[in-house]
Amino acid sequence: DTGVSQDPRHKITKRGQNVTFRCDPISEHNRLYWYRQTLGQGPEFLTYFQNEAQLEKSRLLSDRFSAERPKGSFSTLEIQRTEQGDSAMYLCASSLQGSTGNTIYFGEGSWLTVV
Amino acid sequence: QQQVKQSPQSLIVQKGGISIINCAYENTAFDYFPWYQQFPGKGPALLIAIRPDVSEKKEGRFTISFNKSAKQFSLHIMDSQPGDSATYFCAASGNTGTASKLTFGTGTRLQVTL
Repeated sequence: DTGVSQDPRHKITKRGQNVTFRCDPISEHNRLYWYRQTLGQGPEFLTYFQNEAQLEKSRLLSDRFSAERPKGSFSTLEIQRTEQGDSAMYLCASSLQGSTGNTIYFGEGSWLTVV
Repeated sequence: QQQVKQSPQSLIVQKGGISIINCAYENTAFDYFPWYQQFPGKGPALLIAIRPDVSEKKEGRFTISFNKSAKQFSLHIMDSQPGDSATYFCAASGNTGTASKLTFGTGTRLQVTL
């Protein structure tokens, strides 16, 4: 039973560079979420997809952030022109619409450090 | 706007004791209330969840108590063990349309001492 998979687990990048994270959800899940978590804080919602449609984006998601889920399976989160404030753990999660309680399962996260 | 308030920020409990973490919410559209456990460097893992049609749910040593009128819910960890030392997050969501996203509390760092 494979859970939510994220890659890479850690990324160190220089300010101004672009980074991309990939998420593979649990295979039968049609909803996919991206959250951001900074040290000492709870995860904050960024965006979510139902199948390939991006249904909601948080105001936290600036124009430098873009997320895609081209075939309704895996998703990518790209951050352009990274800033030091982007340093955080980026969490992907998935769920199955209509499942009991809308249970959302998280991956292990992708740590981003912008230097 | 913080829609889910969690307390305490940190908690130290002796082995065998009861750990209690409280949360309060504002949005009456919320109808699903999970608790997540997170170890350092790991993603949050679902621990237990409740819907507002019941006032209590128990799974092993973990119990959620829910008070709909007060818009409060709490996690009780019975017979706390050192392995329970982690950060616990309460969360809430609706189940319709975009309300299905989770809104998290700020977390409680639990330390269980020997």
